[in-house]
Amino acid sequence: GAGVSQSPRYKVAKRGQDVALRCDPISGHVSLFWYQQALGQGPEFLTYFQNEAQLDKSGLPSDRFFAERPEGSVSTLKIQRTQQEDSAVYLCASRLRPTGTDTQYFGPGTRLTVL
Amino acid sequence: DAKTTQPTSMDCAEGRAANLPCNHSTISGNEYVYWYRQIHSQGPQYIIHGLKNNETNEMASLIITEDRKSSTLILPHATLRDTAVYYCIADNYKLSFGAGTTVTVRA
Repeated sequence: GAGVSQSPRYKVAKRGQDVALRCDPISGHVSLFWYQQALGQGPEFLTYFQNEAQLDKSGLPSDRFFAERPEGSVSTLKIQRTQQEDSAVYLCASRLRPTGTDTQYFGPGTRLTVL
Repeated sequence: DAKTTQPTSMDCAEGRAANLPCNHSTISGNEYVYWYRQIHSQGPQYIIHGLKNNETNEMASLIITEDRKSSTLILPHATLRDTAVYYCIADNYKLSFGAGTTVTVRA
């Protein structure tokens, strides 16, 4: 594929359910980022992977949020015991190299609605 | 991450140049100025970036002041498809988006 893909595009969960959001980065991209975008606001950084290593998880809002990238390609963001405040668009981005000024390419996002 | 300040919104006429200002007075020496835009219901799209020198690509031009405390993104001939939220970011690896400027291009 030519770009970053995310699935599902839309997810509705009942409060307390666990959800898993998938990101397929551009092939060969070393860096992978997750962002959270609440309605009417700009995206906010959640976590960063360099290959399979999670080097920065400073933006994860609570220990209910967990991300992994076990083989250095596909990544999954998991949210346990979802709460209404978790409702947002979750964006994934990938970048070719870990350093320098390479562009981050974003996927279309997964819109999560927690009822 | 340096904080950036942008106007909340601006209108421009189709076919005219759109000049989007951004203040980043606390930018550090190794932080680049990035511009992204986000069209409704899509992921952010890269536009341009620079460190000290002015930059131009097929989408836009970026003018950075000599003291690097502010910059201007120029869309030379705005079209209706340029209606979007434009984010100015001063960063060196993870992006701190802020609220951005909502640009509406009117026919």
